[in-house]
Amino acid sequence: DQQVKQNSPSLSVQEGRISILNCDYTNSMFDYFLWYKKYPAEGPTFLISISSIKDKNEDGRFTVFLNKSAKHLSLHIVPSQPGDSAVYFCAARGYNYGQNFVFGPGTRLSVLP
Amino acid sequence: DVKVTQSSRYLVKRTGEKVFLECVQDMDHENMFWYRQDPGLGLRLIYFSYDVKMKEKGDIPEGYSVSREKKERFSLILESASTNQTSMYLCASSLTSNTEAFFGQGTRLTVV
Repeated sequence: DQQVKQNSPSLSVQEGRISILNCDYTNSMFDYFLWYKKYPAEGPTFLISISSIKDKNEDGRFTVFLNKSAKHLSLHIVPSQPGDSAVYFCAARGYNYGQNFVFGPGTRLSVLP
Repeated sequence: DVKVTQSSRYLVKRTGEKVFLECVQDMDHENMFWYRQDPGLGLRLIYFSYDVKMKEKGDIPEGYSVSREKKERFSLILESASTNQTSMYLCASSLTSNTEAFFGQGTRLTVV
């Protein structure tokens, strides 16, 4: 049973608009969340993270929101650019879960010019 | 700049062969990980190591083993390759358990 879920396998957005990628988790012990971006034939690249003591973290065009009560986080990309087209993975780590990260299945984002 | 290097980008091996995937990081990180990525399944953890000569099983360790003789190097071993081990293999490292992981470029392994 997946502990980190990304229910949208794919998402298409027009260039310049907002992209919203969603992630849900089931384990209430998770306390640190990350988003990674992956291009084909390359390793994932770290984008942004958020600790469970916060509800928002911003870095340039990327903002991550965390709703602990709903066990939900989202990544907002504003404005979206064609170079943002990639697979986005949500990942979580729990203090009592060990030192490894649990990844979701990924969402493929296509930004259309 | 952080760097995680995997020894091969593409590998083709025969069923039953012993396969070694090598990973080196130059960041003096404590933790190292091996994942495999399959469509629709995301990244699944095979093994991880939090110190030299230490290893822990991840979610899918069957058919794999690992070796960490030096801090910077973490090797994944397929004892007897099978076709269901055809996948993208990703190595990663992190400084501590509270910091992000950095990934290598991946090794696309095909077992025929």
